[in-house]
Amino acid sequence: AQSVTQPDIHITVSEGASLELRCNYSYGATPYLFWYVQSPGQGLQLLLKYFSGDTLVQGIKGFEAEFKRSQSSFNLRKPSVHWSDAAEYFCAVGPGGYNKLIFGAGTRLAVHP
Amino acid sequence: DGGITQSPKYLFRKEGQNVTLSCEQNLNHDAMYWYRQDPGQGLRLIYYSQIVNDFQKGDIAEGYSVSREKKESFPLTVTSAQKNPTAFYLCASRATGDGNQPQHFGDGTRLSIL
Repeated sequence: AQSVTQPDIHITVSEGASLELRCNYSYGATPYLFWYVQSPGQGLQLLLKYFSGDTLVQGIKGFEAEFKRSQSSFNLRKPSVHWSDAAEYFCAVGPGGYNKLIFGAGTRLAVHP
Repeated sequence: DGGITQSPKYLFRKEGQNVTLSCEQNLNHDAMYWYRQDPGQGLRLIYYSQIVNDFQKGDIAEGYSVSREKKESFPLTVTSAQKNPTAFYLCASRATGDGNQPQHFGDGTRLSIL
């Protein structure tokens, strides 16, 4: 079955520290992978996406993610976290050429000053 | 600027009442989606539509209904049959010409029971 797992429900980091949010997926073919961010009471904003090619993708707000096929992972990273990065982050996988997305349960990020 | 507009931002439902959530997009996208979001459960797909006058049930369609009479609009009705409607509802749209296109989201409607 197709699924997305975000193992960490909550993560707390200090401002200026590095960040890595984990995402593992289960999918039978080459997936399309996405990371979205959601601020409280808001919709989801796309941070980055991976379809093919270079396995390290750059996104907005200084985020990057690396696709590792052997580990079925698509972890999100940021070298130095800002207080404004506090939000909930969702990883999603899409069947190639189709319209539905499968979302993980999300990781809530808190940033300490 | 193009985008997705959901209204109202907050909505209250009485027992036995149907309520309709509005979703309008001016992105010229063919596909539209409704998701329900509950704490700790991520997003669950309620209904989706790939083209005008056509829509399909998602994973949790019971107690909900939709219509797609215009490309720009995809309203969701939460019927009295939905016994636990309190949630945050998100509408999304996507261009379908290229299979790689991501979904774009509105700012959501929070529905509560009176």
